[in-house]
Amino acid sequence: NAGVTQTPKFQVLKTGQSMTLQCAQDMNHEYMSWYRQDPGMGLRLIHYSVGAGITDQGEVPNGYNVSRSTTEDFPLRLLSAAPSQTSVYFCASSQNPGFTEAFFGQGTRLTVV
Amino acid sequence: AQKVTQAQTEISVVEKEDVTLDCVYETRDTTYYLFWYKQPPSGELVFLIRRNSFDEQNEISGRYSWNFQKSTSSFNFTITASQVVDSAVYFCALKLAGGTSYGKLTFGQGTILTVHP
Repeated sequence: NAGVTQTPKFQVLKTGQSMTLQCAQDMNHEYMSWYRQDPGMGLRLIHYSVGAGITDQGEVPNGYNVSRSTTEDFPLRLLSAAPSQTSVYFCASSQNPGFTEAFFGQGTRLTVV
Repeated sequence: AQKVTQAQTEISVVEKEDVTLDCVYETRDTTYYLFWYKQPPSGELVFLIRRNSFDEQNEISGRYSWNFQKSTSSFNFTITASQVVDSAVYFCALKLAGGTSYGKLTFGQGTILTVHP
């Protein structure tokens, strides 16, 4: 049972480049989220999804897009990377609407130069 | 909007000392969940505990214990007889129940705990 899998683990981008951070879970969870972690700020919610075809914005959505075409996958897209998006990104999933226990991926460390 | 504050940015202790990590939260909702997560140097987030707002009973799990007090909006975490392996960043988090709160965890800033041998 792999849980929540994020790829890649590390990435360096140039300003203006685009890329997609992948997140997949094999627990048949309906609820998935993306967070970014920055020093001294904890984790902040970027986007979340309550099921296939349904997504919504979190606290810091600007510069990021998401889609949820399947239950398993919830990719996060950076359309034009900026140095301010240098961060560690975590994907999380949960099986119930209460999101009472979130399972997190290992994280993706992104550096934008 | 809800908020979680972990006022202790960094704590340094010597092995076998007891240490308490503070967490204070703000919300106008009456039904919510509180969490603690551990982030070891390897970077992953490890779930430690969940508490709902109707259950103020303190909990002990081995060397870990949690003190939930609604009167002071606090959910503090104590490690007894700390060990070097406890060195990590610890996050407190809050989630409102139901409504539009699906998937929305509000995290504190984190407390870096260093346990010296």
